[in-house]
Amino acid sequence: KQEVTQIPAALSVPEGENLVLNCSFTDSAIYNLQWFRQDPGKGLTSLLLIQSSQREQTSGRLNASLDKSSGRSTLYIAASQPGDSATYLCAVSRSYGGSQGNLIFGKGTKLSVKP
Amino acid sequence: DTAVSQTPKYLVTQMGNDKSIKCEQNLGHDTMYWYKQDSKKFLKIMFSYNNKELIINETVPNRFSPKSPDKAHLNLHINSLELGDSAVYFCASSQVRRIQYFGAGTRLSVL
Repeated sequence: KQEVTQIPAALSVPEGENLVLNCSFTDSAIYNLQWFRQDPGKGLTSLLLIQSSQREQTSGRLNASLDKSSGRSTLYIAASQPGDSATYLCAVSRSYGGSQGNLIFGKGTKLSVKP
Repeated sequence: DTAVSQTPKYLVTQMGNDKSIKCEQNLGHDTMYWYKQDSKKFLKIMFSYNNKELIINETVPNRFSPKSPDKAHLNLHINSLELGDSAVYFCASSQVRRIQYFGAGTRLSVL
């Protein structure tokens, strides 16, 4: 059974710092991994999707890496801003079976960037 | 235009009632999903559906049933509501195995 763990559960940093959020998964048979952002009381916004054959994806100040064999992904945020404050969720989809599209989520990392 | 829209945004009801949550997507996606986010903010898949098959998470009670009148809609029907059903329910859509786009959520409170 696939389990996704995110560490730390919460993180508080001063504005301008570079930071790394971690995600690990127990079953390496994934099709892709997605990072999402959730603001309080809102839905999820997709940030980056990494296919299982890829090592990393970049979008602006965000860079996500994937090491499928070790079951790990990191989300790197450069030059953090107060507007980055949100909960960041990691999710994986399976590469086999009838529910390949279904995402298995971690519990998230709540990020607070102080001005 | 909202890509994935859910109605209502808030739903307060009594135990034992039957209720529905509507979801519509205008992205032309072939797969739609329902997720439940519990009080600890943990998101869990409930259903995924495309025009070929419905995949049900084995932990979902059969009081919950998705209904798809057409490719752009996947509504969630809940019978005999229980206190433990209180949560935020999210609808999402995607092309299969691609980026999923989420609605804003429906906060269900069962009294």
